[in-house]
Amino acid sequence: AQRVTQPEKLLSVFKGAPVELKCNYSYSGSPELFWYVQYSRQRLQLLLRHISRESIKGFTADLNKGETSFHLKKPFAQEEDSAMYYCALRSLFTRKIYMFSGGYNKLIFGAGTRLAVHP
Amino acid sequence: NAGVTQTPKFQVLKTGQSMTLQCAQDMNHNSMYWYRQDPGMGLRLIYYSASEGTTDKGEVPNGYNVSRLNKREFSLRLESAAPSQTSVYFCASRGGVRGQGVPTYEQYFGPGTRLTVT
Repeated sequence: AQRVTQPEKLLSVFKGAPVELKCNYSYSGSPELFWYVQYSRQRLQLLLRHISRESIKGFTADLNKGETSFHLKKPFAQEEDSAMYYCALRSLFTRKIYMFSGGYNKLIFGAGTRLAVHP
Repeated sequence: NAGVTQTPKFQVLKTGQSMTLQCAQDMNHNSMYWYRQDPGMGLRLIYYSASEGTTDKGEVPNGYNVSRLNKREFSLRLESAAPSQTSVYFCASRGGVRGQGVPTYEQYFGPGTRLTVT
């Protein structure tokens, strides 16, 4: 089954401390993974995608296929990093009806981890 | 560009009432989605639309209907609201390609509609 697991509901750290938000996935195939962030009462925003191998707002995430993980890391947390973080996996959903088959790409989201950075 | 817009931002319904949540995008995207967000459950896909005039069910379609009349707009309708439909609803769109025609899969989200059914 295709699944994204974020084991921590809440991660609480002090400003300046390192942060690692865990994400594990289950997918048969070549995965494509994303991290989304949602600040208080705002829309979800794409933070980073693994294929770009980028660093956004000091955050990085490396895809580890052996451990099926895509953990989000930042060496020094800031108070403005406090938000809800969602890991997402691109999944191809297929449907076969009689002789016709079709499919679409969708994102499977984890349950999310709330990061709280205290002063 | 406004990106993805949703109306209304807040709504309170009584059980059995109906309403339509509106979503529009100005990015010329083909694919549009409706999600609901509940604590501890992340985002769950309600319905999906690959293009104008086509829709398909997601993980939790019961109690909802959708309409994609044109490329810009994708509406979600609750025919007879129930307390279990109290949630935050997000619309999203996806489209475009990166260099060399590689499709992109990241989705762009609207600001959400906070719905309470009493």
